[in-house]
Amino acid sequence: EAGVTQSPTHLIKTRGQQATLRCSPISGHTSVYWYQQALGLGLQFLLWYDEGEERNRGNFPPRFSGRQFPNYSSELNVNALELEDSALYLCASSLSAPLHFGNGTRLTVT
Amino acid sequence: DQQVKQNSPSLSVQEGRISILNCDYTNSMFDYFLWYKKYPAEGPTFLISISSIKDKNEDGRFTVFLNKSAKHLSLHIVPSQPGDSAVYFCAASEYAGGTSYGKLTFGQGTILTVHP
Repeated sequence: EAGVTQSPTHLIKTRGQQATLRCSPISGHTSVYWYQQALGLGLQFLLWYDEGEERNRGNFPPRFSGRQFPNYSSELNVNALELEDSALYLCASSLSAPLHFGNGTRLTVT
Repeated sequence: DQQVKQNSPSLSVQEGRISILNCDYTNSMFDYFLWYKKYPAEGPTFLISISSIKDKNEDGRFTVFLNKSAKHLSLHIVPSQPGDSAVYFCAASEYAGGTSYGKLTFGQGTILTVHP
């Protein structure tokens, strides 16, 4: 069974640009979650999508947004990038519990 | 407001001995708890979970204990092996309806080092 896949593995952007991160869930999983792990910090919840709908949102500004497609894959978009957005962005999928994580996208903002 | 706390940033144990990782939570609505292991440059890997109706769950070398009155859970690894060296995160969630437990709230993690 293929796990959660994320692309790209690494992404380097300049402050003010936009970043798009992609996630493919485990086959059969309908929920996708996005987490941010900044350096030295724990995993902070960003967004939860289920059946194409946004179910919950963490304490992040509106420039963090996303969507879930009919095939349950998901995109995370970060607009107007700031230096502090540099982090590991992790996607997870589930059918019920537990969450299964991908290996993340390392976003660096210069 | 940190609802899930792991107060020990690191733990060092000898191979073959017991590793005990601790976690405290403040939100009484949490009813499902999990432990994840994370290696550098990889995503967290699910280890073991426990629902609030139980106080103990075992899976091989891993046992999770839940003390609801103290809002405390712990992960015991016996015997510890060098390959167990990683960052361990505890996480908690509330039932979100249907079959879903929704988002997980994570602790800050504990770095476990098992020496040969």
